[in-house]
Parts: sequence; C-alpha cells; structure tokens
Amino acid sequence: GAVVSQHPSRVICKSGTSVKIECRSLDFQATTMFWYRQFPKQSLMLMATSNEGSKATYEQGVEKDKFLINHASLTLSTLTVTSAHPEDSSFYICSANPRSTADTQYFGPGTRLTVL
Amino acid sequence: DAKTTQPTSMDCAEGRAANLPCNHSTISGNEYVYWYRQIHSQGPQYIIHGLKNNETNEMASLIITEDRKSSTLILPHATLRDTAVYYCIVRVRGGANNLFFGTGTRLTVIP
Repeated sequence: GAVVSQHPSRVICKSGTSVKIECRSLDFQATTMFWYRQFPKQSLMLMATSNEGSKATYEQGVEKDKFLINHASLTLSTLTVTSAHPEDSSFYICSANPRSTADTQYFGPGTRLTVL
Repeated sequence: DAKTTQPTSMDCAEGRAANLPCNHSTISGNEYVYWYRQIHSQGPQYIIHGLKNNETNEMASLIITEDRKSSTLILPHATLRDTAVYYCIVRVRGGANNLFFGTGTRLTVIP
C-alpha cells in the first residue's frame, strides 16, 4: 500500500523558534498533499492544501505567513511553523493522494510539536 | 460534502463483530462513503470506501443501505488492536480530495 512518512515524529522547541516538518510519499508521487492539525481530544482540522510547483491553499483562519508550506517535488512537502508559540503545540499530520488513485488519501504518522 | 452522524462511542467484546453505524441522509449521487480510523497518537488509516454496493476487503466490510442514507462498517472479529476512533466521511470522488473529519466513533474492544 501507499506509504507516507513524516519527520520528525516528535519535536520540542522554545517559544519564538521555527520548526520544519517534512512529509514524504515513499512509494508514489503526489501532486497534492494536505496538512492537518489535531489538538488533544479533538478531530483533525485541515490547515492547507499543498500543490506541487505552486502556492498552497490555506483554510480560513490559518495564517499563511506563520505556517509556510513548500511542495518542491512530487514526493516532498514541508510545513514550517515560524516563530512558534505554546498555542501552536499540536499534532500535525500530512496526507497525500497517489496520482494513480485520486480517490484514497494516505496519512503520515504525525508529528507531535511541543512549544515551551 | 455531505454531513455524517456517528455515535460518540461503542464497546465491543474481543472476537466479536463490531458494527459501526453512520448516517449520511443528505448524501448526493456522486458522493462516496469512506471510512478511516485513528489509533491513539497515530495518523488516520484508510479502511474502505464504497458508492452503493457493499464492499469487503481484508480489514472490513462496508454495508450501504439501498437509499444510501446510512452505512455500517463491520469488523468481523474485533481485536484489542482495533480500539480506535473510526471516522465515516462522505465526499465526491476526484473532487477537492481533502477530507473533513467529524468527531467519529470511539470504539473500545474489551478483552
């Protein structure tokens, strides 16, 4: 099956620093990847849609200048949380669709971000 | 995408079949029913999807009513590792492709 990886799986940083999270599709190409955020005891919330070779599309209420998304290749998308603050602490999850099967979305294992 | 309604939580005895219902009464003709599950602190895992016919794979079976207004995910022999939150999602095939997650059903498999 399609495999999506994320790195790092867990990160702890100081307030004010920037953190980069990588999302890779290991055995397929993905023109589109998605970034979700999940707070404790809540469901996943879509943050943005990452399109290879073009600008990401952000959901309402998500600051594009704070959550920088780069989709430089068909297998890699990165999310950079700039000037992180404690309220940015969350579980960040990416997903991707294999180009051959536009129906099914496969998710990465998630990245737990803790901002002190 | 149409809205779905699921029970907040369910228990199931280990080894028994787990039947998870989902209501999607406003589903339109070109919308599929997808099921994902999320084990604690992991990313969601795809389970199965269908349009109108019943579907079965190695993980589960999906039963969709004739009027397509509801469906049931069946885990034939639940194990402790099936304890997770199960999400029923309705979306257009080949559409925007992003998934909107509701609150899901927290299934607890009891030894």
